[in-house]
Amino acid sequence: AQKITQTQPGMFVQEKEAVTLDCTYDTSDQSYGLFWYKQPSSGEMIFLIYQGSYDEQNATEGRYSLNFQKARKSANLVISASQLGDSAMYFCAMRELSGSARQLTFGSGTQLTVLP
Amino acid sequence: DTEVTQTPKHLVMGMTNKKSLKCEQHMGHRAMYWYKQKAKKPPELMFVYSYEKLSINESVPSRFSPECPNSSLLNLHLHALQPEDSALYLCASSQVEIGFNEKLFFGSGTQLSVL
Repeated sequence: AQKITQTQPGMFVQEKEAVTLDCTYDTSDQSYGLFWYKQPSSGEMIFLIYQGSYDEQNATEGRYSLNFQKARKSANLVISASQLGDSAMYFCAMRELSGSARQLTFGSGTQLTVLP
Repeated sequence: DTEVTQTPKHLVMGMTNKKSLKCEQHMGHRAMYWYKQKAKKPPELMFVYSYEKLSINESVPSRFSPECPNSSLLNLHLHALQPEDSALYLCASSQVEIGFNEKLFFGSGTQLSVL
């Protein structure tokens, strides 16, 4: 079974509007961490936001927020006020207690295109 | 600008060539990683060094040989590669943390083409 599922291969959003990128995960661990990375066409993977499984508040970093629903095992990324520079591939990732301490499991990614 | 620097940015090599990819970071991170990424796919972990010791080798073929000369440098030596090894090779580093919030910082990658 997939550990991280991103069901939207591609998404379009109008500039200045908000967009939600979906991520669901599968783990039997009680302790884990969830990450979102952005990869523009330049190739570099850029860390956006982190949510720990025991964090009570949803994580926020500027225009990025993580909608964490633990019971549903979902960790959706919300980008507010989209900008043209937000066009990129977005990956959801997880680190589990039972896995290697250094290993992230990535989802298949969502290609976001921001339209002017 | 990324604080993880990878060279070269592009590399074309024949199947009999020997080449090396280089990665450098000056953030004081003690874990360094090599990932392989095919187009439109997520990165796949190849190797992890923790405190300059190889801690994870994800069953990578021996034609890929990693080296960590010191805490700031990571090399990937390539020999007798196959065309299917053509991909983006990403280096990353992280501060070794207890817990789950260890963030990886990635370089811009080396786009490798094997002819």
